[in-house]
Amino acid sequence: DAGVTQSPTHLIKTRGQQVTLRCSPISGHKSVSWYQQVLGQGPQFIFQYYEKEERGRGNFPDRFSARQFPNYSSELNVNALLLGDSALYLCASSNGQGAREQFFGPGTRLTVL
Amino acid sequence: QKEVEQDPGPLSVPEGAIVSLNCTYSNSAFQYFMWYRQYSRKGPELLMYTYSSGNKEDGRFTAQVDKSSKYISLFIRDSQPSDSATYLCAMSGPSDRGSTLGRLYFGRGTQLTVWP
Repeated sequence: DAGVTQSPTHLIKTRGQQVTLRCSPISGHKSVSWYQQVLGQGPQFIFQYYEKEERGRGNFPDRFSARQFPNYSSELNVNALLLGDSALYLCASSNGQGAREQFFGPGTRLTVL
Repeated sequence: QKEVEQDPGPLSVPEGAIVSLNCTYSNSAFQYFMWYRQYSRKGPELLMYTYSSGNKEDGRFTAQVDKSSKYISLFIRDSQPSDSATYLCAMSGPSDRGSTLGRLYFGRGTQLTVWP
């Protein structure tokens, strides 16, 4: 079975632009979570979606938004990009709402210039 | 105070050594404890998880949880150069802010190098 897939792999944007990142969970998984990992730090929780509804939000500004589609894939949108948004954005999928076994994708590396 | 503390290292050991990695945490409501391995510029890979206190063994890896001390450990026996990576501890459970059950709280990771 395919694991979690994310696209694109790398992305370079300039300040003020908007970006959309995409994630496809493991087949059969209904929960998708998004994390931001700044270099040298652990991942920080941004959102969780389960059964197409937002189930949790971390301490991120409203410039960050997400949604989940009927096929359980998900998009993360970031508006008005700042230099500090440069990071590895990780998507994780799990079978249920609980976080016991979350499986991560390879991530999208975003660079904001 | 951060919810999860982890010494970033770096930790450098010879092949065959026993490696001990650990994390401390402040939220006594955490119930599930995970260890992830992350190779450079890749996504984290789940190694194992434990529920509440106790030990769990999987091959060369042993995870320990001591909830009374709010301390978790990962031991790697007979370490190999292929074990060289960053090891992230993570935990979950209802926080005092009522966060979703789906949220993982990560340490900053310990960078491990196993040299031949």
